[in-house]
Amino acid sequence: DTAVSQTPKYLVTQMGNDKSIKCEQNLGHDTMYWYKQDSKKFLKIMFSYNNKELIINETVPNRFSPKSPDKAHLNLHINSLELGDSAVYFCASSQRGLGSTDTQYFGPGTRLTVL
Amino acid sequence: DAKTTQPPSMDCAEGRAANLPCNHSTISGNEYVYWYRQIHSQGPQYIIHGLKNNETNEMASLIITEDRKSSTLILPHATLRDTAVYYCIVSPYNFNKFYFGSGTKLNVKP
Repeated sequence: DTAVSQTPKYLVTQMGNDKSIKCEQNLGHDTMYWYKQDSKKFLKIMFSYNNKELIINETVPNRFSPKSPDKAHLNLHINSLELGDSAVYFCASSQRGLGSTDTQYFGPGTRLTVL
Repeated sequence: DAKTTQPPSMDCAEGRAANLPCNHSTISGNEYVYWYRQIHSQGPQYIIHGLKNNETNEMASLIITEDRKSSTLILPHATLRDTAVYYCIVSPYNFNKFYFGSGTKLNVKP
């Protein structure tokens, strides 16, 4: 029973291609996130969605477009992939609101390699 | 941006307590202290969080100083599987924006 799952686990692609990474959570949370961890291991937030609405966009190039079809899913689509997009992308979820712990739960990550 | 300072690495003998310090001298009154760890390249794993009282769960204990400017994560009996990078994060409740610093690489040795 994986709480936060991502597919694919590994993604190798050529520069200029368009690719998507999918994320699903079965925790009933209403907030989901995408983080990027670069080669220096710094983990940075990219986006946050609450009930399918974008609430955080951390100065990410507009080649990155998150899409949330429902509150259990947050997919990340990347257009015109560049070498610098190579990283591990983590999805996370949390429950906002009174009475919640606000704790974020992370998926296993998707390692993207752009050649 | 991360508002915490942690030592880059620490060693601990297996079976002993691991005490991981974190400085957060600019913490605001509404900010919680969260601890996560990342084992190898897996997703960060939640450990514990607190506001001002000390907290304990099945994984660890969190000691927060009275002035809240620093905290210590305690793993009471470290095992080899506790080898990981440990991140200390401060964030307001419901802010939903975690800034991860460079963390502390804990090496548990036999």
